[in-house]
Amino acid sequence: DTEVTQTPKHLVMGMTNKKSLKCEQHMGHRAMYWYKQKAKKPPELMFVYSYEKLSINESVPSRFSPECPNSSLLNLHLHALQPEDSALYLCASSQGASGAYNEQFFGPGTRLTVL
Amino acid sequence: QQQVKQSPQSLIVQKGGISIINCAYENTAFDYFPWYQQFPGKGPALLIAIRPDVSEKKEGRFTISFNKSAKQFSLHIMDSQPGDSATYFCAASESNGQNFVFGPGTRLSVLP
Repeated sequence: DTEVTQTPKHLVMGMTNKKSLKCEQHMGHRAMYWYKQKAKKPPELMFVYSYEKLSINESVPSRFSPECPNSSLLNLHLHALQPEDSALYLCASSQGASGAYNEQFFGPGTRLTVL
Repeated sequence: QQQVKQSPQSLIVQKGGISIINCAYENTAFDYFPWYQQFPGKGPALLIAIRPDVSEKKEGRFTISFNKSAKQFSLHIMDSQPGDSATYFCAASESNGQNFVFGPGTRLSVLP
């Protein structure tokens, strides 16, 4: 299995809702990432988990809360989002977060719309 | 210093032509340079990558050229096809996995 899967594909939520994005990989990768991508822009790194521990938080607002229950799963919990948070949220994984193993493989993304 | 510059912003090429996209960086600690291809509504897909110990890497129709002294690298797509029409991102990172940075992207259109 060489895939990173993400659910849901699309999500529409109000500013008072609580929702979660899910990401899964079964490649034995030990690093997982969340990115945010706005239209016609490159992906922006949000969080990095290495061996199930949060290693990088790129000054992301607390309304985004990541969670890594195990080495195959990555969640992004959303609460009290703003309309400007509407974007494509991408999950990626790599064999490791350093050295020769940082080739990142991306999932298809979740298209999030905040009303 | 963590930025990666990319040009052109958009590129139109005839079928069968060569597409060339250029990137430049400042951070001398970068030592891994991948290229990603992204179709609308999809996640980026790793296309080809290079490390500074080689000056060129070729995989099929795709070639990366790397100039360490100039801190520049480029993607060449030979015999460009309409199916290559997508957005291409160069990226760079340090060996410790820190500072994984994407360039702003190039939208390629290959005309039939």
